[in-house]
This record gives sequence, structure tokens and C-alpha cells, in this order.
Amino acid sequence: DIQLTQSPSFLSASVGNRVTITCRASQGVGSFLTWYQQKPGKAPKLLISAASTLQSGVPSRFSGSGSGTEFTLIISGLQPEDFATYYCQQLNSYPFTFGGGTKVEIK
Amino acid sequence: EVQVVQSGPEVKKPGESLRISCKVSGYSFTTYWIGWVRQMPGKGLEWVGIIYPADSDTRYSPSFQGQVTISVDKSFNTAYLQWSRLRASDTAMYYCARSAVFSNPHYGMDVWGQGTAVTVSS
Repeated sequence: DIQLTQSPSFLSASVGNRVTITCRASQGVGSFLTWYQQKPGKAPKLLISAASTLQSGVPSRFSGSGSGTEFTLIISGLQPEDFATYYCQQLNSYPFTFGGGTKVEIK
Repeated sequence: EVQVVQSGPEVKKPGESLRISCKVSGYSFTTYWIGWVRQMPGKGLEWVGIIYPADSDTRYSPSFQGQVTISVDKSFNTAYLQWSRLRASDTAMYYCARSAVFSNPHYGMDVWGQGTAVTVSS
């Protein structure tokens, strides 16, 4: 199985901050990497697919980059509604594994 | 409007069987993959498996292979996740979701159900 390591696992940030979350894969996944946002008690929400394609309706302050084994999710100008847990997922090969998550909390 | 609606919460005893459902509407059921994801209390997301309703092509995570069965009923536009013998460790929230791209599972899941809470306790 491909292991995904997210860092940090927790971060505390203020509204307006730029936030960077990294996802590293144990082997190459091409660009088959997605990012989800999950708020407490809610289902995950797809933010970015194919490493960098923003889903319809997702604010442009979210961006994704990377390929192969290293990927980044950036939130440029954190908003109150962005405080949540973020997960990466690789969909290059079965099983489609998730990273451990990054919880973004208010500083 | 595309909708994914899951069955309600379940409370079961160890050793019992269970089938939870995931009913979709607003699109052609057979042409998008349906995946299942587990989230244990206070923990992260775990990929259970995925099925293509058109031909029931199914892939499982090794962690769940043999422990659960994923199936569909095309007549009812519904996917299922079932257990023949539940364990306390199956206690979790289970989500189903639709693939974001027509007939292609490699671009994530864009429409999610609300989740089904499964509690297994004696």
C-alpha cells in the first residue's frame, strides 16, 4: 500500500494567515492526489483533485501543487470557515489511501 | 440535483450481521464509481473500497477484504456495505461517496452521503 504522510498533523493559525500543508507519498502517485476538508460532524468535502484542479465552488484562496511523491495544499488568507481538518488521498493505485489529516485550529 | 442519501444509525451486538445502504439520485447510477470510507471515533479517514455499478467491479482495501462486502442493486440505484459478523472494532461512521468523474475513480469523490453511524456493543 502507498503510505501518505501529512505534515504538520496540527497547526494553529490566525485569520488572514497563509497556511501550507504537505503530503508525502511513500511512492510516486503521479498527479492522482486529492485534498478534502472535513468539519466536525460533517462528511468530507472535495477541494482539489488531480493535485491542482480546484473543484467548482471552492474559493480561490485554496490551491494545490505537486506531483510524484510531494504535494502541497496552500490556503492564502485563512478565513474563519477554513478551520477544519484536511486530508490528502492518493488515487493512483489500489487501495486508495488517505493521509492522517491536518487539523487547522484558530490561534 | 445529485444526491447521496445513506441509511440511518445502527446499534448492533457483536456477531450480528448488518447491511447499510447508500441511495443515489440525480444522475445515471451505473456510470460513476461509489466508494466507502470509514471514520472511527476521533480518528481519520480510511478507504474501505469502491464499486462500479455498471459491472460490479469491486476493489477492497486489504484491511477490509474479507471483513465486509460491497454490492449494488441497480434497480434501486443503491449501493450497500455489509458485514456478516460484526465486531466491536467495527464501531465507526461509514460514508459513501460518488466518484467525481464519469466512469473514472482516480479523481476523488465529489458527492458524499451524510454518513451512517454503526455502533457495535454487547
